[in-house]
Amino acid sequence: DTAVSQTPKYLVTQMGNDKSIKCEQNLGHDTMYWYKQDSKKFLKIMFSYNNKELIINETVPNRFSPKSPDKAHLNLHINSLELGDSAVYFCASSQGRDQPQHFGDGTRLSIL
Amino acid sequence: AQSVTQLGSHVSVSEGALVLLRCNYSSSVPPYLFWYVQYPNQGLQLLLKYTSAATLVKGINGFEAEFKKSETSFHLTKPSAHMSDAAEYFCAVSDRNFNKFYFGSGTKLNVKP
Repeated sequence: DTAVSQTPKYLVTQMGNDKSIKCEQNLGHDTMYWYKQDSKKFLKIMFSYNNKELIINETVPNRFSPKSPDKAHLNLHINSLELGDSAVYFCASSQGRDQPQHFGDGTRLSIL
Repeated sequence: AQSVTQLGSHVSVSEGALVLLRCNYSSSVPPYLFWYVQYPNQGLQLLLKYTSAATLVKGINGFEAEFKKSETSFHLTKPSAHMSDAAEYFCAVSDRNFNKFYFGSGTKLNVKP
């Protein structure tokens, strides 16, 4: 069983559209994260949720909104997609913020 | 404010040679430090972490790193490179409350036969 799974694996869409990326973890972890990795491989944390509470938001545009329906899921919604949003988005989870994070395989978002 | 710098975006070694990947951090107080590895088309895997216990930290796959406060460094080493070590390696720093987490720009390790 995949510990942290993201869907879709690839997402190609046009500028201006609204899209969502789903993330699920079956590890029983209480903290989940979203990261953005740009074309230069620079990895930046976007959000984390601990028991449904947002605890990190690294000045991400408000077009991006995380939504956590339950402890096992943290979905990423993106409105009005822009060219600069093209990147690989990684979901991760951990049991407590001081424990190692387990990463999904990433969602490759391409904006046309 | 914290930051982490990885010297060398590409490192190439021969199979069996020493691997040395450099990471320097800046922080007003000693932070927690991590090394992650990323294989192509995959997410990150934690190699090792330093959280103020022993300064020499051993990780998976034969890697280790030493926290040197005087040099503000946390370099990653492996005595003998294997072809399967070819990947991208990221150094990361966190404050002691884990409220801020920053990654370096990554170092791509190439292992030559």
